[in-house]
Amino acid sequence: DTEVTQTPKHLVMGMTNKKSLKCEQHMGHRAMYWYKQKAKKPPELMFVYSYEKLSINESVPSRFSPECPNSSLLNLHLHALQPEDSALYLCASSKTTGLHEQFFGPGTRLTVL
Amino acid sequence: AQKVTQAQTEISVVEKEDVTLDCVYETRDTTYYLFWYKQPPSGELVFLIRRNSFDEQNEISGRYSWNFQKSTSSFNFTITASQVVDSAVYFCALSEAHTGNQFYFGTGTSLTVIP
Repeated sequence: DTEVTQTPKHLVMGMTNKKSLKCEQHMGHRAMYWYKQKAKKPPELMFVYSYEKLSINESVPSRFSPECPNSSLLNLHLHALQPEDSALYLCASSKTTGLHEQFFGPGTRLTVL
Repeated sequence: AQKVTQAQTEISVVEKEDVTLDCVYETRDTTYYLFWYKQPPSGELVFLIRRNSFDEQNEISGRYSWNFQKSTSSFNFTITASQVVDSAVYFCALSEAHTGNQFYFGTGTSLTVIP
C-alpha cells in the first residue's frame, strides 16, 4: 500500500472559521510533511514531522497549526485564514527524513472567502 | 539562487512524438538525490524516479528514460512515443545530504500532448 489519503478533497471556508485538514498513511513511514501549492507553482514546504515530533516549521503563520497524533496521522488546523491562503494543500510521507522519496496525497483544494 | 532549474515552462508535442524535459541542478554536496514527479490535472504528485549522486547509470522504465550527467549537473527526462495521458506538470527535485528534510523543487514543466 503506497497510498497517502487526504480529507476533505475540497474545502471552502470563511475567514472566521476553524477547520482541519487530515492526512493518513499506512506505509510505516516515520516522516510526514505539509506543503502548500499555488497555481502554476511548485509545492512549498510548510512543516515536517519526524517520529511524531515537529522538526521543521518553515516560518508558517500561526493561523496554521499542525498536529501529529500518531505515526500514521497528520492534521493541519486552520483558523482565521486569509484569502491569499487559498491553495492546494498537499500531505506527503517518507520512510524517514533524509534522502528518501516522498509519497504525496491527492491534496485538499482550499478556498478562503 | 535556484537550486533546480527547469528552463522549459511549457511544451506541446503531438502524440507519438518523443519529448525531453530538462533539469539542471546546483549543489555543493557530494551526496544528494534527484527526483522526478508527475502532477496530472487531478493534483496528486506521482513519484517517478529517484537517483543518487553516486549512480550515473541511465535508467529506462517503459516509455520513460532518464539521463543523469554529473559533468553538466543535469538530470533530463525523456518520454518516448508520448501519449495524451502524459499531459501533466513534471517537477524535478533535489535533496541534499546536509539538508535532508528539504526537497528543492524546480518550477515545473507543463507538458501537453496533442492527439
